[in-house]
Amino acid sequence: DAGVIQSPRHEVTEMGQEVTLRCKPISGHDYLFWYRQTMMRGLELLIYFNNNVPIDDSGMPEDRFSAKMPNASFSTLKIQPSEPRDSAVYFCASTPLGQNTGELFFGEGSRLTVL
Amino acid sequence: KQEVTQIPAALSVPEGENLVLNCSFTDSAIYNLQWFRQDPGKGLTSLLLIQSSQREQTSGRLNASLDKSSGRSTLYIAASQPGDSATYLCAVEERANAGKSTFGDGTTLTVKP
Repeated sequence: DAGVIQSPRHEVTEMGQEVTLRCKPISGHDYLFWYRQTMMRGLELLIYFNNNVPIDDSGMPEDRFSAKMPNASFSTLKIQPSEPRDSAVYFCASTPLGQNTGELFFGEGSRLTVL
Repeated sequence: KQEVTQIPAALSVPEGENLVLNCSFTDSAIYNLQWFRQDPGKGLTSLLLIQSSQREQTSGRLNASLDKSSGRSTLYIAASQPGDSATYLCAVEERANAGKSTFGDGTTLTVKP
């Protein structure tokens, strides 16, 4: 398997624009997580899905952020409108928790810069 | 609320030295604890996963221990090499929130040749 695949790897946009980040989890993994990493706040869990259903979105900072998982092989994280404080690295991770291991596998991340 | 702390924040050692990285957590009701490595500009790579019923895991020069009662884990790196230079993060998954992991801020390790 190619691992967790994220796109784009880098995104530079202007304040107010819509940003869509994409993730393809490892096949067979039933949990998918979106994290955000910044120097100030470290790694924060934004939202996670189990079998395509959102379980906990309490980490989503505000209504400008939304996430979807239309099927087992694809998820998006959308920011609309984007703000400079959203600049961070966004990671997607998946785990075969249903197989009772809990090991997290991360993608390479999407580095977002909002000007 | 689970809190995970890693001390020290940064560590510099000469090549060949054995070293220990520390991770502490406040709620001992955990499902597992995982150690990761992160290289600059890269994602997190899983190193070792310790289930709550286990006390340690080993992989090559790495050994991770878990003491749930005291809320502590250590990552032991033997015979360190410059290629071990990276940030090491630990994460705990709580039993009360299956699937949800809380991360420490990491220890940045530099191994000097």
